[in-house]
Amino acid sequence: LAKTTQPISMDSYEGQEVNITCSHNNIATNDYITWYQQFPSQGPRFIIQGYKTKVTNEVASLFIPADRKSSTLSLPRVSLSDTAVYYCLVARGGNSGGGADGLTFGKGTHLIIQP
Amino acid sequence: DAGITQSPRHKVTETGTPVTLRCHQTENHRYMYWYRQDPGHGLRLIHYSYGVKDTDKGEVSDGYSVSRSKTEDFLLTLESATSSQTSVYFCAITLDTNYGYTFGSGTRLTVV
Repeated sequence: LAKTTQPISMDSYEGQEVNITCSHNNIATNDYITWYQQFPSQGPRFIIQGYKTKVTNEVASLFIPADRKSSTLSLPRVSLSDTAVYYCLVARGGNSGGGADGLTFGKGTHLIIQP
Repeated sequence: DAGITQSPRHKVTETGTPVTLRCHQTENHRYMYWYRQDPGHGLRLIHYSYGVKDTDKGEVSDGYSVSRSKTEDFLLTLESATSSQTSVYFCAITLDTNYGYTFGSGTRLTVV
């Protein structure tokens, strides 16, 4: 699976939009991009995933350019409760069972939101 | 998250003793995973299961075994606990590998 690179840490302020960019230069045709959020003493929580262009849900947006070698997680109007570690992962797609062997987590981006 | 529970939540055990952690799901998901999380290493996959009695090794499987005799339960056993297995253990489930994973709340294991 493609290795991902993302900033180790980021700071922002309440009410701001935060964009976390992840690079995955060796992404394969069937791979998709997925993001997780983790608070201290909790398991990771799925945020969003996509294959190309833009995906939006009630929590975030995910922007993926045409070459798919990077992606950007966008968190609109962050609050203090968005302080967490955010993981960008590349997951193997395909038919059911094609990516059964689990997700590979990197170190993630520690996002700190200040008042 | 509702639908996946881990037990125990905390455990302290002595070096050399066997330990079993349990992951229980009520979602009837096919895939189940065990991860460990340590400072400086992030989450690492220990073992996973893609069905009843179907399991395979992950990145850091040495010293661990698993069993899945029912869809809803995935057990992780430390055959002879060592201090290097002190960690936080997370179980995860997914309906299909194209969907997001749901993680449990974790088990904090301390081996003394």
